[in-house]
Amino acid sequence: DTGVSQDPRHKITKRGQNVTFRCDPISEHNRLYWYRQTLGQGPEFLTYFQNEAQLEKSRLLSDRFSAERPKGSFSTLEIQRTEQGDSAMYLCASSPLVRVQETQYFGPGTRLLVL
Amino acid sequence: SQQGEEDPQALSIQEGENATMNCSYKTSINNLQWYRQNSGRGLVHLILIRSNEREKHSGRLRVTLDTSKKSSSLLITASRAADTASYFCATDSWRDDKIIFGKGTRLHILP
Repeated sequence: DTGVSQDPRHKITKRGQNVTFRCDPISEHNRLYWYRQTLGQGPEFLTYFQNEAQLEKSRLLSDRFSAERPKGSFSTLEIQRTEQGDSAMYLCASSPLVRVQETQYFGPGTRLLVL
Repeated sequence: SQQGEEDPQALSIQEGENATMNCSYKTSINNLQWYRQNSGRGLVHLILIRSNEREKHSGRLRVTLDTSKKSSSLLITASRAADTASYFCATDSWRDDKIIFGKGTRLHILP
């Protein structure tokens, strides 16, 4: 399967713990996006990378959130000192194009539950 | 923030019937896309329509775009049980280098 993959698929953690999610995009896709989705809502943009450069961060991304894409391939999203409000599905998507948005290819998501 | 607003929020129809979902947006767009999401899974791209296009077809899907009304519709003909999912519209603009999703329409196909 050469689609976007995310790991883990599910994560349960206690409030105050740190968690890290990984996303492997489709090979050679320049752009990689992170979204957060809560129940009954559409995905909300968090941040995106073009190759290894992080080009934009949403105001939703507090100081507790950090994302990296060190070699322009896979990406990690870390949440420090998790809060119950961080419980959500975290989606990763990649896109092959450099210019203004075209189709994005989504991974299956990581579902986070903070107790 | 969410740019698109889908209508209705939820829709239940009998298998074989056509399903129509609408999306309204607020600011000028470059492209509008529709995505499908099965319960608890990632999104799957269905169709993209550009701002200079008015209608597009893909299999049982028909999408229209009316930029004067800032609205789009997604028609699924001859619905099947497998069409049960949430459907989201997503827009992008020349000013902004990302796409913005609406809240979605939850479609349920009854056997």
